[in-house]
Amino acid sequence: DTGVSQDPRHKITKRGQNVTFRCDPISEHNRLYWYRQTLGQGPEFLTYFQNEAQLEKSRLLSDRFSAERPKGSFSTLEIQRTEQGDSAMYLCASSLASLGAETQYFGPGTRLLVL
Amino acid sequence: GQQLNQSPQSMFIQEGEDVSMNCTSSSIFNTWLWYKQDPGEGPVLLIALYKAGELTSNGRLTAQFGITRKDSFLNISASIPSDVGIYFCAGQRYTSYDKVIFGPGTSLSVIP
Repeated sequence: DTGVSQDPRHKITKRGQNVTFRCDPISEHNRLYWYRQTLGQGPEFLTYFQNEAQLEKSRLLSDRFSAERPKGSFSTLEIQRTEQGDSAMYLCASSLASLGAETQYFGPGTRLLVL
Repeated sequence: GQQLNQSPQSMFIQEGEDVSMNCTSSSIFNTWLWYKQDPGEGPVLLIALYKAGELTSNGRLTAQFGITRKDSFLNISASIPSDVGIYFCAGQRYTSYDKVIFGPGTSLSVIP
C-alpha cells in the first residue's frame, strides 16, 4: 500500500498522559499536514510541513501540542498532558508541491479518546 | 475566519434516486474540493475544481465551481448503497499550497 499511513489507528489514554502519533506520507510527497476532526464536524487544520520545516501552525495548536518531521519524511504529533477535549480523530495528509494545483491525500487517521 | 456551510445536513434517499448537495462560503476560494468519508477512515478526494464555472464529472458524480467562487454543488446520479457516507466540501484559497478548509459535511443514507 503506497498511501498515507498513520499509527496507531486508535489510542485510549488517561487525562494527563502524553501521547504520540506517527504519520508516514506518500513517499515522494514533500508536504505534510495535520488536521483534527471532532464528531460531526469537518477536519480542521493544525499544522503543515514542507520537507522538514514547519511553516504554519493554527491557533488550535496549543503549547501542549508539538509536531516534528525531522528528516522530511515521516512526522510525529505529540500531545502532552492530555485533556478530555483533546479526544478527536487526528488526520494526516500529504501532497507533492508543484507549480500547479496540489492535491492532498489523507491517511486513515488516529482516533484518540482521553478518559 | 473563513467558514463553509453545507446543505442539507443529512439526507435519506431511496436507492436509484439522484442526490444534490451544495456548499456556500462567505469568502472566495480558488479551488473547490469534494471529499467522501466513511466511518473510521480519512476523507477521500472525489472531485477537484480549479476554475469558476467549471463542471467536472467522476463517474456518477458531477460537481460545479460556482461563478462567484463562493459556492459549489455536488450531484450523485442513480445512488447505490455504497454511496452512504459523509460528503465534505472544502476550499483552498490558492491552487498551490494551502490548508484545506472543510465544511461541516452532509450525511447521506441510501435505503435499498
